Amino acid sequence: ILNVEQSPQSLHVQEGDSTNFTCSFPSSNFYALHWYRWETAKSPEALFVMTLNGDEKKKGRISATLNTKEGYSYLYIKGSQPEDSATYLCAFISGSARQLTFGSGTQLTVLP
Amino acid sequence: DTGVSQDPRHKITKRGQNVTFRCDPISEHNRLYWYRQTLGQGPEFLTYFQNEAQLEKSRLLSDRFSAERPKGSFSTLEIQRTEQGDSAMYLCASIGAYEQYFGPGTRLTVT
Repeated sequence: ILNVEQSPQSLHVQEGDSTNFTCSFPSSNFYALHWYRWETAKSPEALFVMTLNGDEKKKGRISATLNTKEGYSYLYIKGSQPEDSATYLCAFISGSARQLTFGSGTQLTVLP
Repeated sequence: DTGVSQDPRHKITKRGQNVTFRCDPISEHNRLYWYRQTLGQGPEFLTYFQNEAQLEKSRLLSDRFSAERPKGSFSTLEIQRTEQGDSAMYLCASIGAYEQYFGPGTRLTVT
């Protein structure tokens, strides 16, 4: 059983604050790591697919880093806005699997 | 809108009834996945199709669950003799080159 853990479980920040979350995953047999944003009543939205150790990806105010040797990824949000409020999920694919193994998510609330 | 649709969006049923959900993936995608998500947890893999072939099933998928993708396009997930523990969000996703595109899910409540 693959263990993908996310922390914190939930987070409240003020508008304008920068924040970050952690996703930890097995460091062996790595294939890819996905980040999703899931707003209530909507489909999970793909943010990043990361495959290489040391990868850094950016999309507007959101960025992510990847360390496959130690098995963690960070997601950063700069200058949080209320519309960033959502659950952020990471998901791991091992070299031998075809499906995503998800963490339980970090629920972010950005207060105006 | 990701291009993946699911129907219905919500379903309330009584324990013991059968329910069927439908997923319409992005048309050029030949891989389709079903996941289940319960409160406080991330989505859990249920099953996977490549075209019409069901290639993998999770241990979570009991005998009461069956999935089909008859023509390699839309897929259905049926739950027979529903139990309260089946209450969850059921998500489907179709895969392009790398990313999985999710539908909005069907929220099932078993009373």
